[in-house]
Amino acid sequence: DTAVSQTPKYLVTQMGNDKSIKCEQNLGHDTMYWYKQDSKKFLKIMFSYNNKELIINETVPNRFSPKSPDKAHLNLHINSLELGDSAVYFCASSQDTGGAYEKLFFGSGTQLSVL
Amino acid sequence: SQQGEEDPQALSIQEGENATMNCSYKTSINNLQWYRQNSGRGLVHLILIRSNEREKHSGRLRVTLDTSKKSSSLLITASRAADTASYFCAPYSSASKIIFGSGTRLSIRP
Repeated sequence: DTAVSQTPKYLVTQMGNDKSIKCEQNLGHDTMYWYKQDSKKFLKIMFSYNNKELIINETVPNRFSPKSPDKAHLNLHINSLELGDSAVYFCASSQDTGGAYEKLFFGSGTQLSVL
Repeated sequence: SQQGEEDPQALSIQEGENATMNCSYKTSINNLQWYRQNSGRGLVHLILIRSNEREKHSGRLRVTLDTSKKSSSLLITASRAADTASYFCAPYSSASKIIFGSGTRLSIRP
């Protein structure tokens, strides 16, 4: 069983459309994250949820809205897609936040291409 | 929050040789982690070294941490083709998030 799974793996869409990426983890972790990896391979944190509550919200346009229906799921909805949104989006989870031994488990990524 | 900066950005070595990658950071940490990313995949956690540790081993991996210099190194011994990947360091403190740099792209030549 995949520990952190995200769908779809590839997403090709037109500018202006609205799309969602889903993420689920079966590790029983308390915290989930969304990261964005740009073409230069920098990984930037976007959001973090702990037990369904938002704890990190980096400077991300409000066109991006995370939704956590329960602590095993963290979905990412993007409105009015722009060319600059093209990137690979990674979901991740960890046992808790603030611990000295915390480590992240990543999904395999969703490659978003906005045309 | 703080970001680890990996050096070099790219490294190409012959199979069987050792590969060394470095990481620098700016503020105090609780631990520092190294991750590997294979092409088209998510990051995989390799090893975590706590701030009170100076060296840690895991299989062919050796990590050192020098908190006075705010730097860490990852050594992969006896490299294999399967080690071809990007490697990221992630300095972590309870006051910050885990933020990654752009990684070191390691290529192993047969």
